[in-house]
Parts: sequence; structure tokens; C-alpha cells
Amino acid sequence: DIQMTQSPSSLSASVGDRVTITCRASQGIRNDLGWYQQKPGKAPKRLIYAASSLQSGVPSRFSGSGSGTEFTLTISSLQPEDFATYYCLQHNSRGTFGQGTKVEVK
Amino acid sequence: EVQLVESGGGLVQPGGSLRLSCAASGFTFSSYWMHWVRQAPGKGLEWVANIKQDGTAKYHVDSVKGRFTISRDNAKNSLYLQMNNLRAEDTAVYYCVNRDLDYWGQGTLVTVSS
Repeated sequence: DIQMTQSPSSLSASVGDRVTITCRASQGIRNDLGWYQQKPGKAPKRLIYAASSLQSGVPSRFSGSGSGTEFTLTISSLQPEDFATYYCLQHNSRGTFGQGTKVEVK
Repeated sequence: EVQLVESGGGLVQPGGSLRLSCAASGFTFSSYWMHWVRQAPGKGLEWVANIKQDGTAKYHVDSVKGRFTISRDNAKNSLYLQMNNLRAEDTAVYYCVNRDLDYWGQGTLVTVSS
């Protein structure tokens, strides 16, 4: 099975900060990766698909990069509505989520 | 309007069985792989299983292999998860997901406890 190692598990940031979250795959997954945002009590919402493509309707401050085994989600200027938990999901072989990153108010 | 509506969750004793259902509408159900994803209380997301459009290929996470079975009925626009020999660690909200279109149901809670 492919393992996804996501870091950090949590971070504290302020509005306007640049935030970076990383996922590392245990083997190459091409660009078969998505990034999701989840708020308490809600289903996840996809932000990025195919590692770097912005989901329709998602603000351009979100971006994704990477291919193979190393992937990054960047929020260029954190907004109040961005405090949430973020997950990566590989779908190259079955499916595996990262452990999640909780973005909290500093 | 796209809808994925899960049902069938509830309280069950360890070793028991449940069958989850997901009723899909608003998109061409038979054209997409479908998935089950779960989330234990206060924990992260876990991919559970998926199934090909025609049901000829299906995959399960190792922790449920031999106990859970995903299936679908395209004539009824429905997805299922048969869960047998349930364990306490299976306690979670179970989501029905169309990953390609990023459609998620509201989730159904399964609680395994004596």
C-alpha cells in the first residue's frame, strides 16, 4: 500500500501569512493527488486536483505543486475562512489520505 | 441538483453486521467510480473502498478486507457497503463519494459498541 506522510500535523498562523503543507508518498504516484479542506462537522471539499490544478470556484490564493513523491499545498495569504484541517489524498493505487494538518489561529 | 444520501448507519455490537446504502441523483451514476471514505470521531479521513463503473473491479483498504464489501446497482443509482464482523475501530462517519466530481454525502454514523 502507498503511505502518505503529511506535515506538519498542525500549525499556528495569522491572517495574511503564507502557509505551506507537504505530503510525501512512499512511492511514485505521478500527479494522482488532491488536496482537501475540511471544517468541523462538514464533508471535505477539494481545493486542488491532479496535484496542481485549481478546483473550480476555489480562490487563487490556494495552489498545489509537485509530482512523483513530493507535493505541496500553499496558501499565499491566509484568510479567516481558511482556518480548517487540510488533507492530501493519493489515488494512484486505491486511495490513501495524509494524516491531516490543522491550521489554527496564532 | 446533485445528491448523495447515505443511510443504514446506527449502533451495532462487536461482531455484528450493517449494510450502508447511498442513493445518488443529479449525475450519471453509472459513469463514475464510486468510493466510501470514513472518519472516526476526532480523527482523520480514511479511504475505505472503491468500485468501477460496471462493478467489475473493486478495492478495499487492508483493514477491512474480508469483512467489508462494496457493491453498486446502477439501475437503482445506488452504492452499498456490506460490513460484517464489525469492530470498535470501525466506529466512524461513513461518506459516499464521487471523487471525480468531488461530490460527498452528508455521512452516516456507525457506532460499534456493546
